[in-house]
This record gives sequence, C-alpha cells and structure tokens, in this order.
Amino acid sequence: LAKTTQPISMDSYEGQEVNITCSHNNIATNDYITWYQQFPSQGPRFIIQGYKTKVTNEVASLFIPADRKSSTLSLPRVSLSDTAVYYCLVGDSGRAGGFKTIFGAGTRLFVKA
Amino acid sequence: GAGVSQSPSNKVTEKGKDVELRCDPISGHTALYWYRQSLGQGLEFLIYFQGNSAPDKSGLPSDRFSAERTGGSVSTLTIQRTQQEDSAVYLCASSLGPDRHNQPQHFGDGTRLSIL
Repeated sequence: LAKTTQPISMDSYEGQEVNITCSHNNIATNDYITWYQQFPSQGPRFIIQGYKTKVTNEVASLFIPADRKSSTLSLPRVSLSDTAVYYCLVGDSGRAGGFKTIFGAGTRLFVKA
Repeated sequence: GAGVSQSPSNKVTEKGKDVELRCDPISGHTALYWYRQSLGQGLEFLIYFQGNSAPDKSGLPSDRFSAERTGGSVSTLTIQRTQQEDSAVYLCASSLGPDRHNQPQHFGDGTRLSIL
C-alpha cells in the first residue's frame, strides 16, 4: 500500500493561494491520487482526483509530476471556510481482492482573516 | 439524492454493552467501507465490503468487532462488550466499483460513540 506524507499543518490568510504537497514514493502503476477535505463533525468530502499531469475543477487544482511520486493540491484564493483537514490518498478502487485506503493524519489548514 | 446515511449520529453507552451502528450507502454503490476516527486523528480503516462479501476485514481491531452487509446495501457494524478505548467516530463510505478504477468514496457524517 502506498504510504503518503503530508505536512501536519499550514497557516494562510484569506485570498491567498494555498499549495499542499503530498509525497507518495511507492505509488503503484494503477493508483490514483485523491484528495479529501474534512470539517469538524463531518465525514471527509471528495475534492479532486487525478492520475497524472494536471486536473482542475471548480474548487481546486491537482498537479502531478511525471514520476507521480508526489502531488500538490492547489486551493486558489482561500477563505475562512476553507479551514479544514486535507487528506491525500493513493489507491486503486479497481484492485482485485479489495481496496484498502490508508488515511494519514492529513494537513490541518488554518485560514486567518 | 441521498448521500451516505449513518445512524445513530450519537451513541452513549456503558462499558460492557453491545452496540450496533448502521450505514445506508448511496443507492447503486457496491463498495462499502467502515473507518474509525479518534479525536484529532486520521481515519483508521476497519473493513471493506464488495456487495455482501468482505474481502478485506484486516482492520477490525479485535474479535469484539464484526460487520455485515445485507442485500448489497445496508451495513451494520457491531461492537460487543464495549470498552472505553472504543470511543471514537465511526465513519462509513461507499463507492462504485470494483470493476471501475478511480472511484472516490462518499462518506457519511459518522456515529460518535462514547463509552462511559
């Protein structure tokens, strides 16, 4: 199982761009990279997923270099409501025999006014 | 357009009692996962269901923990003879799969279990 490493916490100010990098050195060929956001007292919420290069949706961008050993979640112009824990996962839901996901401790992002 | 539903949202019980936690996945999602999250910690994988079968139950912490899924839908996580260290938030997620790759998991808001 691919292990991920993320910063434990980050601080930012409203309106800034925030980049959270995740290391996953032993990512497997079929693994996808998925990011989740979790607010207190709620379950994690899917943000974005990618396999290689760059993916962008209405809330974030995901940058994945060619070797796929890391990925960077980019949140443009954060607001106070983006204060949350962000988890990076790698895995393959199509893996034969089941799919175990390993959530690390995540990155606690604190956005200040 | 219901998401993953878990019940109860909160459960307080005495040490030694049995508890049952319920998860209703999104309709059509064949994969279902249970996780446990202690205060301020990440998610700890417990068990994974594909349909009614559990090909991976390696995360269940002891034989006091069991889970079943019926009709390829509702799942129940049972904890027998609860201990104080069982206190945590129990999260359920579902997804399409496993014949599809890159299927994100959709989470419920969990059951907060407190053992007195």
